[in-house]
Amino acid sequence: QLQLQESGPGLVKPSETLSLTCTVSGGSISSSGYYWVWVRQPPGKGLEWIGSINYSGKIYYNSPLKSRVTISVDTSKNQFSLKVTSVTAADTAVYYCARLWQTAGGNYFDNWGQGTLVTVSS
Amino acid sequence: IVLTQSPGTLSLSPGERATLSCRASQSVSSSSLAWYQQKPGQAPRLLIYGASSRATGIPDRFSGSGSGTDFTLTISRLEPEDFAMYYCQQYGSFGQGTKLEIK
Repeated sequence: QLQLQESGPGLVKPSETLSLTCTVSGGSISSSGYYWVWVRQPPGKGLEWIGSINYSGKIYYNSPLKSRVTISVDTSKNQFSLKVTSVTAADTAVYYCARLWQTAGGNYFDNWGQGTLVTVSS
Repeated sequence: IVLTQSPGTLSLSPGERATLSCRASQSVSSSSLAWYQQKPGQAPRLLIYGASSRATGIPDRFSGSGSGTDFTLTISRLEPEDFAMYYCQQYGSFGQGTKLEIK
């Protein structure tokens, strides 16, 4: 059974860099047909896709965040990571890692981590 | 593409039928539309993909339909565990959600 687990600091100071890692177990991050993604959800608000990466390093970012976001993958550790630079209070959110299932018709987030709350505050 | 869900909040009783709407700002392929359920403190869960296919383990009281710009999630007979937030999704876009609450 595939499991995803986010890890990283729960508190980040304004202007600093938010760094999170997602560890995938019960399956290989190198499986074809899937991307690995980060999604965030500010408290009491909706879902926002941040970006996606596959095992070969092909990356897509959500345009509004693109200048501050870096997603990377480490297939040897079955992990992928997120960095968001120059954070502000607006980056406070629950951050989810998830698997994106690619089909001929569409892409679906079919497995999710439990999420980790990251608060930006001094 | 902007996805707009309605209503924002739906108040119903267990046993009733729920109809949730998702409207796209332009026509989309029905095979690209998905629905998710999210309960408080939990991650979203994939319910419906390709507009009408149920994900693994999803009860058959959940059904999806629609095409073009208008899509619907229907819960035929509400169970207590169905009261939650529901989101539609198309590629990198999510709707703002519909809260299904107990009346």
